[in-house]
Amino acid sequence: DAKTTQPPSMDCAEGRAANLPCNHSTISGNEYVYWYRQIHSQGPQYIIHGLKNNETNEMASLIITEDRKSSTLILPHATLRDTAVYYCIVRGKTSYDKVIFGPGTSLSVIP
Amino acid sequence: DTAVSQTPKYLVTQMGNDKSIKCEQNLGHDTMYWYKQDSKKFLKIMFSYNNKELIINETVPNRFSPKSPDKAHLNLHINSLELGDSAVYFCASSQGLTQYFGPGTRLLVL
Repeated sequence: DAKTTQPPSMDCAEGRAANLPCNHSTISGNEYVYWYRQIHSQGPQYIIHGLKNNETNEMASLIITEDRKSSTLILPHATLRDTAVYYCIVRGKTSYDKVIFGPGTSLSVIP
Repeated sequence: DTAVSQTPKYLVTQMGNDKSIKCEQNLGHDTMYWYKQDSKKFLKIMFSYNNKELIINETVPNRFSPKSPDKAHLNLHINSLELGDSAVYFCASSQGLTQYFGPGTRLLVL
């Protein structure tokens, strides 16, 4: 079973920030938070990951709470091309740790 | 340049047939994976290879056999195909923890 819970769906107006929440209350100290997205049945695409600190890259920002039990993925200026299913994943540090995808959040960016 | 490629993109076949799906990555990664995404859209890991060695083998029927001839390739052979094998199969690779996925192979068993 996935170690994360996400809302099944969200809407966001084009040009606005999309804030996608994720709960991972059972995360352990050496587990990372990863975000991927899947656009219309294409292969999942890596977005960002973090351990404790907030992270930012060209695609998004990741805000992790101090207790690490939840996080938020922020797409600062959502476009129609950001419409996708977003997966929040918790995983360990080695190749032997399985990546378990939950149902994710289906984000619809509305014109 | 395609980082992770899969062939074929689409595969339509009859029940009982044997088929193979091929995956190649040009990223120089050590680890490769096969995932299955069924009609309910759940993405589940099937196998993982690290340097040609099987390291993750989920509860998958014996009809599914992965083969890694070298670090850059991980093929999936499926014997005696069943209706329930219809799904999209994704290959992925990683160096470290971040996985990069291929475009998927859409398998339809009739």
